[in-house]
Amino acid sequence: GAVVSQHPSWVICKSGTSVKIECRSLDFQATTMFWYRQFPKQSLMLMATSNEGSKATYEQGVEKDKFLINHASLTLSTLTVTSAHPEDSSFYICSARGVAGEAQYFGPGTRLLVL
Amino acid sequence: GESVGLHLPTLSVQEGDNSIINCAYSNSASDYFIWYKQESGKGPQFIIDIRSNMDKRQGQRVTVLLNKTVKHLSLQIAATQPGDSAVYFCAENLLGQNFVFGPGTRLSVLP
Repeated sequence: GAVVSQHPSWVICKSGTSVKIECRSLDFQATTMFWYRQFPKQSLMLMATSNEGSKATYEQGVEKDKFLINHASLTLSTLTVTSAHPEDSSFYICSARGVAGEAQYFGPGTRLLVL
Repeated sequence: GESVGLHLPTLSVQEGDNSIINCAYSNSASDYFIWYKQESGKGPQFIIDIRSNMDKRQGQRVTVLLNKTVKHLSLQIAATQPGDSAVYFCAENLLGQNFVFGPGTRLSVLP
């Protein structure tokens, strides 16, 4: 299957700082990328959907000024958690899809711990 | 909206037995389905997919069955191994829209 990478895999930061997470599709062009958040023992919660070159579409309850998403190229999307607080600590997973109607492939996830 | 699970159902099977994981999907018009496997601390991994014009698809040790009449999807794992222990999610898709994920089932393989 297609490969999606995320960087970093782990990040620990102080409260109030911003953290950027990168998501890359390594062997295909991702017209659409998705960002999820996952709490322990729970399912995936979609945060936002981004199409290359367009503004991201955020799910209800997700603050777009808090979670900045940039999808500047067909292989890279970034999620920036601004002014992170301990409640933002979570497992963030990106996913990418080449063409609508095709499979969605996930990155390995980034675990964020805000102290 | 997207599915948000609360407490995951758990399936425990003996090593070497066959596992059957079930999923009820929500939209009768969904035309594409995927099963994902998520191990602890990792992102979901694509296992197998099936389109609505099929009712069965086989992979290596895995089989997906689709019953559109009752909107039911199942994943069968043959000769379950310890490495199969994970959370399994089904996902449904309609006409290229965003996938909707099920709450997940935790598979525990007993020695």
